[in-house]
Amino acid sequence: SAVISQKPSRDICQRGTSLTIQCQVDSQVTMMFWYRQQPGQSLTLIATANQGSEATYESGFVIDKFPISRPNLTFSTLTVSNMSPEDSSIYLCSVGQGVQETQYFGPGTRLLVL
Amino acid sequence: AQTVTQSQPEMSVQEAETVTLSCTYDTSESDYYLFWYKQPPSRQMILVIRQEAYKQQNATENRFSVNFQKAAKSFSLKISDSQLGDAAMYFCAYRSPRGGTASKLTFGTGTRLQVTL
Repeated sequence: SAVISQKPSRDICQRGTSLTIQCQVDSQVTMMFWYRQQPGQSLTLIATANQGSEATYESGFVIDKFPISRPNLTFSTLTVSNMSPEDSSIYLCSVGQGVQETQYFGPGTRLLVL
Repeated sequence: AQTVTQSQPEMSVQEAETVTLSCTYDTSESDYYLFWYKQPPSRQMILVIRQEAYKQQNATENRFSVNFQKAAKSFSLKISDSQLGDAAMYFCAYRSPRGGTASKLTFGTGTRLQVTL
């Protein structure tokens, strides 16, 4: 399976600021996915990022709040903009690979907004 | 839209014993994929096992096996010879066979598994 890294692993941010999370994969992949996991909750898909096109956002998530870049087949960023305490979550990226495009996850970024 | 339900928020098992985690799902598709992921306190999501809906044979991976009942839309995970390292949050997930953005995962709410001595 792909080796996926995320930066930063954790951060504490002030309300109103923005944070950009990086996701790096050790092989080329077509689809990359960004999920949010609020405290004690399950994972919810934010958006799907395909290289060379605009990200596709799920209901309840908008590009102004969560802009995504996908400059090449091994890298993507997710920005959490104008943060509020409700944005405190773990943010995970995943990629589809191998048999039936099984998804593998990065280690996650734990964000706390004060 | 597909939904995934895990009705057991918490389960406990003694070391070396067997435990079964339940998962049901709802879909109108005839072909799809089902997964169990494990999330230990380190928060890394780890794939435990995968099942293709068109396969009648239940998937197995060492101590982990599933009981896939397509008609009942049930997909339970059995962990045999439980070990302390199995303690984690377990998520059941569904994926459509359609590609592109439809290949997202839909997760259940999770079951927290405790393993006791």
